[in-house]
Amino acid sequence: AQSVAQPEDQVNVAEGNPLTVKCTYSVSGNPYLFWYVQYPNRGLQFLLKYITGDNLVKGSYGFEAEFNKSQTSFHLKKPSALVSDSALYFCAVSDTGTASKLTFGTGTRLQVTL
Amino acid sequence: DAGVIQSPRHEVTEMGQEVTLRCKPISGHNSLFWYRQTMMRGLELLIYFNNNVPIDDSGMPEDRFSAKMPNASFSTLKIQPSEPRDSAVYFCASSREGLAGGANTGELFFGEGSRLTVL
Repeated sequence: AQSVAQPEDQVNVAEGNPLTVKCTYSVSGNPYLFWYVQYPNRGLQFLLKYITGDNLVKGSYGFEAEFNKSQTSFHLKKPSALVSDSALYFCAVSDTGTASKLTFGTGTRLQVTL
Repeated sequence: DAGVIQSPRHEVTEMGQEVTLRCKPISGHNSLFWYRQTMMRGLELLIYFNNNVPIDDSGMPEDRFSAKMPNASFSTLKIQPSEPRDSAVYFCASSREGLAGGANTGELFFGEGSRLTVL
């Protein structure tokens, strides 16, 4: 069975500071890893994904994530946070056998303040 | 382009009533997913279809839940009879699926959700 852990319910960052939202995963095969963002009363929006290749993946709105196989992690990062980045962030995993059958983490609320 | 369209956006009903949630996926997408979101359980995949065929319904909670996709542009999720514990936000998502690991793998487009309250 595949699973994702997001250890932090909430991350607080000041605007302009770098941010990291943590994610670790467990799959039986090679992982496909994803980050989605959810704004209040909206559906989830795709941010970025790792399928294969370069471990550093760049996505929308200046976000990036690094795949670390030895640590089974896929942390989301941004060099300089904006207040408008405040939202709920979900990490998700699937594998070569399940492809788009994503298993989502519990979500991390990012709060960026002035 | 129109995104995934769900209706109703809000539904309040009484225990025992039938509830039908509707979804229109993005034109050209060949996979459709129904998710349920609650504070306690987070996001759960209920069922997904590929080319209108149910591929995996292992997440459907029980026989009270059923889902159909009669054609490529429409899907329904029905709960009969509804119970208070079914209260949640139900999301429909669609994607353009190709080979596993292909360009579109895992890129789901979500609707804005249907918030269901069962009293």
